[in-house]
Amino acid sequence: QSALTQPASVSGSPGQSITISCTGTSSDVGSYNLVSWYQQHPGKAPKLMIYEGSKRPSGVSNRFSGSKSANTASLTISGLQAEDEADYSCCSYAGSSTWVFGGGTKLTVL
Amino acid sequence: QVQLQESGPGLVKPSGTLSLTCAVSGGSISSTSWWIWVRQSPGKGLEWIGEIYHSGSTNYNPSLKSRVTMSVDKSMNHFSLRLSSVTAADTAVYYCARRSAAGTIDYWGQGTLVTVSP
Repeated sequence: QSALTQPASVSGSPGQSITISCTGTSSDVGSYNLVSWYQQHPGKAPKLMIYEGSKRPSGVSNRFSGSKSANTASLTISGLQAEDEADYSCCSYAGSSTWVFGGGTKLTVL
Repeated sequence: QVQLQESGPGLVKPSGTLSLTCAVSGGSISSTSWWIWVRQSPGKGLEWIGEIYHSGSTNYNPSLKSRVTMSVDKSMNHFSLRLSSVTAADTAVYYCARRSAAGTIDYWGQGTLVTVSP
């Protein structure tokens, strides 16, 4: 079971859109529609932003969206705001009752 | 509103056993949720350690399975983690959390830093 692959960092200017990828394998991301995304500000616990690949929990801005293609899931944030600056991590079901996280991506709002 | 709070020693000696407890309030540990442990080493990503159901059924990360034991105490509404034979690589912030069947980890504790050092 290897960690999902995410870019170490991405950046964008306020108002722009960015996309964070999360690449797994046919044993995890590619086989199940159980990818979730978490936002984590420094020193804080993660917060659920997207689940089941593309669903948003109540209270999460519609500027956040998720998608999946083959073994890669993606998180897109549109209309970037300063408050979006944080670390983002993906998580996927990996079969055999196990779960795997990505290495995390640091988003910088320029 | 479910709340979770980790507790336990912040310092563990190498080769010793890390023990943490997570108190659940605002909801029953006997709900249809899994109760999980996640850790985050300094500057690193999140790592799923494992999970336990109120029945006592457990699932563990294969890479940690030989050293991990989880338990649940329904009377106290809390669950626990034990990680044996720790090394410096086990130094991390440990989070307890709740996971739904759909995989959503919707409630998290604040996290507790455990340092492995002589």
